[in-house]
Amino acid sequence: EAGVVQSPRYKIIEKKQPVAFWCNPISGHNTLYWYLQNLGQGPELLIRYENEEAVDDSQLPKDRFSAERLKGVDSTLKIQPAELGDSAVYLCASSLGQGSYNEQFFGPGTRLTVL
Amino acid sequence: KQEVTQIPAALSVPEGENLVLNCSFTDSAIYNLQWFRQDPGKGLTSLLLIQSSQREQTSGRLNASLDKSSGRSTLYIAASQPGDSATYLCAVRRRGASGSRLTFGEGTQLTVNP
Repeated sequence: EAGVVQSPRYKIIEKKQPVAFWCNPISGHNTLYWYLQNLGQGPELLIRYENEEAVDDSQLPKDRFSAERLKGVDSTLKIQPAELGDSAVYLCASSLGQGSYNEQFFGPGTRLTVL
Repeated sequence: KQEVTQIPAALSVPEGENLVLNCSFTDSAIYNLQWFRQDPGKGLTSLLLIQSSQREQTSGRLNASLDKSSGRSTLYIAASQPGDSATYLCAVRRRGASGSRLTFGEGTQLTVNP
């Protein structure tokens, strides 16, 4: 069974440019998460989806970040415009549901470098 | 606010040694605790999940314990191997304003030398 798929794996852009990341969760997983991981830190939640609904986006910087999961399957995270401080790894994860017994499975991440 | 601390930040051991990684959390009202492994440039791989009602979980050479009342968890790795070299992250699942949320520690970077 395929795991969580993310693309691209690496992205280098200049500041003020837009960038988008794509995630396809494990088949049948209703819950999808986007995390930000800075170097030497643990991941921090940006947004959580239950099917197509964003149910926890309190930590998403909404002035420049946006996300969508239109059909409740794959998702896109966008940054516009990117800033130097956005350089980090963006991880996507999925789980069967958001209940406490459900493990989260992570994708390989997209490493963003903003120059 | 939940805080998760991992000690040590880095650890280097010779192959074959048994070792313990530590994780502490400030709020004991958690649903569960999860240990992950992260290899350079890779995502996170779940190793063990301990529910709040459990005391420990075992998988192969790995054993994780949970003492919720004292806010501590340990990950024990027996007979370490060079392939165990990675960053180990613990995360606690707690109630948030919009449902449960994982809070991660900063990780312990483990190097096992042949």
